[in-house]
Amino acid sequence: NAGVTQTPKFRVLKTGQSMTLLCAQDMNHEYMYWYRQDPGMGLRLIHYSVGEGTTAKGEVPDGYNVSRLKKQNFLLGLESAAPSQTSVYFCASSYQTGNEQYFGPGTRLTVT
Amino acid sequence: AQSVTQPDIHITVSEGASLELRCNYSYGATPYLFWYVQSPGQGLQLLLKYFSGDTLVQGIKGFEAEFKRSQSSFNLRKPSVHWSDAAEYFCAVGEYKLVFGAGTILRVKS
Repeated sequence: NAGVTQTPKFRVLKTGQSMTLLCAQDMNHEYMYWYRQDPGMGLRLIHYSVGEGTTAKGEVPDGYNVSRLKKQNFLLGLESAAPSQTSVYFCASSYQTGNEQYFGPGTRLTVT
Repeated sequence: AQSVTQPDIHITVSEGASLELRCNYSYGATPYLFWYVQSPGQGLQLLLKYFSGDTLVQGIKGFEAEFKRSQSSFNLRKPSVHWSDAAEYFCAVGEYKLVFGAGTILRVKS
């Protein structure tokens, strides 16, 4: 099992450009999440999904969109990147409520 | 609103010494509580979790944590720290929408 994988690992964008981060899990988990990690702030939830075809906003959703067309994939989109979106992005998945969340290795995004 | 406070940004301990990392939480119901560890450049790995039952929880790598409802605390402990324990530690609360603390960076002196 690969667990949770994220693509790409690194990316540099110019302000206003768009991109999509891909998260894939092979554990048949129902729940998937996108977090961002910034120094001194821990991880903050951007969006999450409790099943295929469903998405919901987390703590810091502005400037991001997500889609969960397949159970194993959860995509995070930035339509018009801003320097404030420079961060490390982590995807996670869990079987259900209260279960351990398994994290991917992260994507380091820099917006100039 | 849910929140997690980790009062110590950095902690330095000598190898072989004991360790306690503090975590205080605010949560409206019986909390699911977690401790995760992050090595540099890596994702997060679960050390242990608590929901109900015995308030002293054992985890991986020799870590344990004690839930104290009266103090709203879930402190992480290890009796003897190894150099490989140097990492950043995060406390989190929530059923599935986790709220994380800011993290504590552990440095281990040899």
